[in-house]
Amino acid sequence: EDKVVQSPLSLVVHEGDTVTLNCSYEVTNFRSLLWYKQEKKAPTFLFMLTSSGIEKKSGRLSSILDKKELFSILNITATQTGDSAIYLCAVVSVGNEKLTFGTGTRLTIIP
Amino acid sequence: KAGVTQTPRYLIKTRGQQVTLSCSPISGHRSVSWYQQTPGQGLQFLFEYFSETQRNKGNFPGRFSGRQFSNSRSEMNVSTLELGDSALYLCASSLGTGGHQPQHFGDGTRLSIL
Repeated sequence: EDKVVQSPLSLVVHEGDTVTLNCSYEVTNFRSLLWYKQEKKAPTFLFMLTSSGIEKKSGRLSSILDKKELFSILNITATQTGDSAIYLCAVVSVGNEKLTFGTGTRLTIIP
Repeated sequence: KAGVTQTPRYLIKTRGQQVTLSCSPISGHRSVSWYQQTPGQGLQFLFEYFSETQRNKGNFPGRFSGRQFSNSRSEMNVSTLELGDSALYLCASSLGTGGHQPQHFGDGTRLSIL
């Protein structure tokens, strides 16, 4: 069965700091890895990484995928209070629409 | 473009009752998946529907069922409610099936069982 482990479980940093969130996975037949940000309501899609797209960047956020070592990281530079949220990592197997989620990393940014 | 819409937002039921939750996907999206989110178990996959057919099912009892209509709208039904069914139920839609496109989530229905 597919498995996703995220670390750390929680992280508290000061505004302006850079953070790195980790996601390791075990999946039978890897299709893609996705990152979501969840504040109070719906998880919001951030990035989707596949074999053909192992690095993504959007503003202060970036993510890489290491298919050999089976992990991904999410980097956030120059953090702002609005970055406070739970960050979720999920994987998808080939031929499947099912997302297998990790437990998430709760990020708190102190002003 | 409107996002995924879930109704109702909040629901309170008692044990033994049944409930139906509704999800309208993003326009043009044909795949709808349902997830249960609880503090203890996190986000867990319930099932996925594509073109009115259930494509995949998670490890939940038969009390949890769903369906999809020709306009891609989906409903989820839970019968004989138990206290442990209290959770946030999230619906997600994507353009196709098979994990090729990202899923986009609605705000969820928070179900409380008394």
